[in-house]
Amino acid sequence: SQQGEEDPQALSIQEGENATMNCSYKTSINNLQWYRQNSGRGLVHLILIRSNEREKHSGRLRVTLDTSKKSSSLLITASRAADTASYFCATLSTDSWGKLQFGAGTQVVVTP
Amino acid sequence: NAGVTQTPKFQVLKTGQSMTLQCAQDMNHEYMSWYRQDPGMGLRLIHYSVGAGITDQGEVPNGYNVSRSTTEDFPLRLLSAAPSQTSVYFCASRTTDGPLPLHFGNGTRLTVT
Repeated sequence: SQQGEEDPQALSIQEGENATMNCSYKTSINNLQWYRQNSGRGLVHLILIRSNEREKHSGRLRVTLDTSKKSSSLLITASRAADTASYFCATLSTDSWGKLQFGAGTQVVVTP
Repeated sequence: NAGVTQTPKFQVLKTGQSMTLQCAQDMNHEYMSWYRQDPGMGLRLIHYSVGAGITDQGEVPNGYNVSRSTTEDFPLRLLSAAPSQTSVYFCASRTTDGPLPLHFGNGTRLTVT
């Protein structure tokens, strides 16, 4: 069963707009990670937020984590056509460091 | 560094055939893992290893075998391929020095007819 569930499943925006996607999970976590996957490629790590952190920034990325609601959001500001990709959240449970569990992903299309 | 290298990139098998998907990493990572990716289901963990000689099962281990004789290599064996194993397979690795991010290969697209 999937630990993380992303919302929305798909998102279409224009260049310059912001893209927000959400992730909900079920169990207690050590950290939550976001990955990007371009078509036909492997996943690339974007950002990691630990369970004791509430917000983290990396360039145009902003991630929030609300452990009371078991949810996280990824915001991409001032999107570019090159941001077109699928985005996945992944969680590492507190009781299983060997098993990073992924959600089904959000497909983002940024049109010029 | 080449990172995580997977071979082959594409493979077509007939039902009942066996094959090995290769994965090698040159980052001296202790942890290695195999995922399969199916449409609408994200990635599901098949098997993982935290070091040479140590392997464990993930969410969907049935029909797959692994072994870890060296730090660098983590092959995935399909013993008797079934159409349900048609998928894209990803190998990923990381250091075990904390719960750190995974480094992924570019995948093997497997079709079982």
